[in-house]
Amino acid sequence: GAGVSQSPRYKVAKRGQDVALRCDPISGHVSLFWYQQALGQGPEFLTYFQNEAQLDKSGLPSDRFFAERPEGSVSTLKIQRTQQEDSAVYLCASSSSLTGRWVYGYTFGSGTRLTVV
Amino acid sequence: AQTVTQSQPEMSVQEAETVTLSCTYDTSESNYYLFWYKQPPSRQMILVIRQEAYKQQNATENRFSVNFQKAAKSFSLKISDSQLGDTAMYFCAFMKHEMDDMRFGAGTRLTVKP
Repeated sequence: GAGVSQSPRYKVAKRGQDVALRCDPISGHVSLFWYQQALGQGPEFLTYFQNEAQLDKSGLPSDRFFAERPEGSVSTLKIQRTQQEDSAVYLCASSSSLTGRWVYGYTFGSGTRLTVV
Repeated sequence: AQTVTQSQPEMSVQEAETVTLSCTYDTSESNYYLFWYKQPPSRQMILVIRQEAYKQQNATENRFSVNFQKAAKSFSLKISDSQLGDTAMYFCAFMKHEMDDMRFGAGTRLTVKP
């Protein structure tokens, strides 16, 4: 597609429920990033993929968070046993740079707003 | 570690006037990239302008320009002839040359008033 597509746009989950958030990057973009944006804050880095390889997952806040990109295109961020502190907007971004060092910046999706009740 | 600070949580400006948003950062690197992103209510982060640290000339994109002061580690955004559509959250971001992730400030909420 022409842009980065994320679904669902909104997700309400009961505490303890598992959720899966999808990101469809720009076709051909090798680098893919997930960010978490809490209300009133800037995005915080979660994890980075280069094609199907997860090269950096240092930002994942706990082992309840898991991301995958099995075929090097679509990525899924999974959160197990959701907690209220997981409520945030989850942004996905992609870049055509092999190393992620794209001087023009990333292309972001519109995010998924997750609310845990 | 790199940190990005935006000291103005909220700003407002009259339509057609000029406004400047502040950003400071902390790094020991000599080469890096700086960005300003706009985030309207649609939530999509839109790149406004970027600056490469090794370039002394300030970047300009139409009504948007930056004042990059490398020694002071300051990277302010000037919006000229403000328009109602400029109303949004603005984030300053830093990317280390050798790193892959982008670090963001906490943002400034800009309101353009008619």
